[in-house]
Amino acid sequence: ELKVEQNPLFLSMQEGKNYTIYCNYSTTSDRLYWYRQDPGKSLESLFVLLSNGAVKQEGRLMASLDTKARLSTLHITAAVHDLSATYFCAVDPSNTGNQFYFGTGTSLTVIP
Amino acid sequence: ETGVTQTPRHLVMGMTNKKSLKCEQHLGHNAMYWYKQSAKKPLELMFVYSLEERVENNSVPSRFSPECPNSSHLFLHLHTLQPEDSALYLCASSFAPGPLRGEQYFGPGTRLTVT
Repeated sequence: ELKVEQNPLFLSMQEGKNYTIYCNYSTTSDRLYWYRQDPGKSLESLFVLLSNGAVKQEGRLMASLDTKARLSTLHITAAVHDLSATYFCAVDPSNTGNQFYFGTGTSLTVIP
Repeated sequence: ETGVTQTPRHLVMGMTNKKSLKCEQHLGHNAMYWYKQSAKKPLELMFVYSLEERVENNSVPSRFSPECPNSSHLFLHLHTLQPEDSALYLCASSFAPGPLRGEQYFGPGTRLTVT
């Protein structure tokens, strides 16, 4: 059974702190996607990691991909309140754009 | 309008009703998707249309029937639903296949309640 597991599922962190969200997946996939969802809103694309060793950064978020370990990380640096959201990773084992499996999501709350 | 739009945003229907959800994308994409998002469950991919042909149907009950008349429009026809079908239904679009494949742009969703 194909699995995409994120941990932690819930994360409460103080402003200014650093933390990492992990995404493990059980199938081969040459790409990995990170999305953000604010409460009551839809999903917004954050990063598309295209190959092994890929690293992308946007503001206080940095994502990386290790396809051999089937692991991606989303690192948060010096968290601020407006990063509070649920973060999802997703893989496409078909490598065609026709089949996506999402992780369960990590609900992040940044506390002042 | 820009991006991906969905109508209606909220829908309450009885188990014997027939209704349709509509999705429209203004991004020039060639693939469209229906997802179901339920509480405490991962996002579930229901249907995929690529170049207007259905390419994936992930064991979805026949009470859900998709339709893609062109690359910009996607419908989900609903009939004789069950209360457990209550969820947020999300539409997304992307380029597929090809080097730009996979990065999906999501609509705001339709919150469906089946009574």
